[in-house]
Amino acid sequence: GNSVTQMEGPVTLSEEAFLTINCTYTATGYPSLFWYVQYPGEGLQLLLKATKADDKGSNKGFEATYRKETTSFHLEKGSVQVSDSAVYFCALGGSQGNLIFGKGTKLSVKP
Amino acid sequence: NAGVTQTPKFRILKIGQSMTLQCTQDMNHNYMYWYRQDPGMGLKLIYYSVGAGITDKGEVPNGYNVSRSTTEDFPLRLELAAPSQTSVYFCASSYSGLAGSEQFFGPGTRLTVL
Repeated sequence: GNSVTQMEGPVTLSEEAFLTINCTYTATGYPSLFWYVQYPGEGLQLLLKATKADDKGSNKGFEATYRKETTSFHLEKGSVQVSDSAVYFCALGGSQGNLIFGKGTKLSVKP
Repeated sequence: NAGVTQTPKFRILKIGQSMTLQCTQDMNHNYMYWYRQDPGMGLKLIYYSVGAGITDKGEVPNGYNVSRSTTEDFPLRLELAAPSQTSVYFCASSYSGLAGSEQFFGPGTRLTVL
């Protein structure tokens, strides 16, 4: 069945460091791909998405490109801030309109 | 616009007790979902609904029931709580079930069964 594998955390970075969180997927066809973020004490929020191969999603300085050759959707940011500390979830769109999630990666950014 | 709200935020149950987790959205979304998140794991789909009066099972429905009498509300019922149901429960909604549709999440309910 469809599944998502993402880099395990926690990840600790210094402010202004470069961030990469790896995400690969297994799916039939070409599902939509998402990154959701969960700030402490809050629900998940959509960070960015891509709906077809080679699409790049971007938001708040984060980017991810839908790569069908490598079945990947890695999240990147050039310069992280303390306010980026959160848990990041990679997900793909399921056949029931639902989302299929990876396990999440906790990011801590130190000043 | 409150979005998706869930109550309670926290709850401790004893084995065999029952409870209802409430979920309400004010965005007039047809699609609603219940997920559970176990420690160190991703979210798994419990039940979903594509509109009032229509519900269907997700990946992990055993031990749960749902109803959808209105567009706004989608309560999740635990009839006989078991320790395996200790988890964080998230409700979500979306305007459509089409690929690429954004889901909006509530803040979650943390449930412990002892």
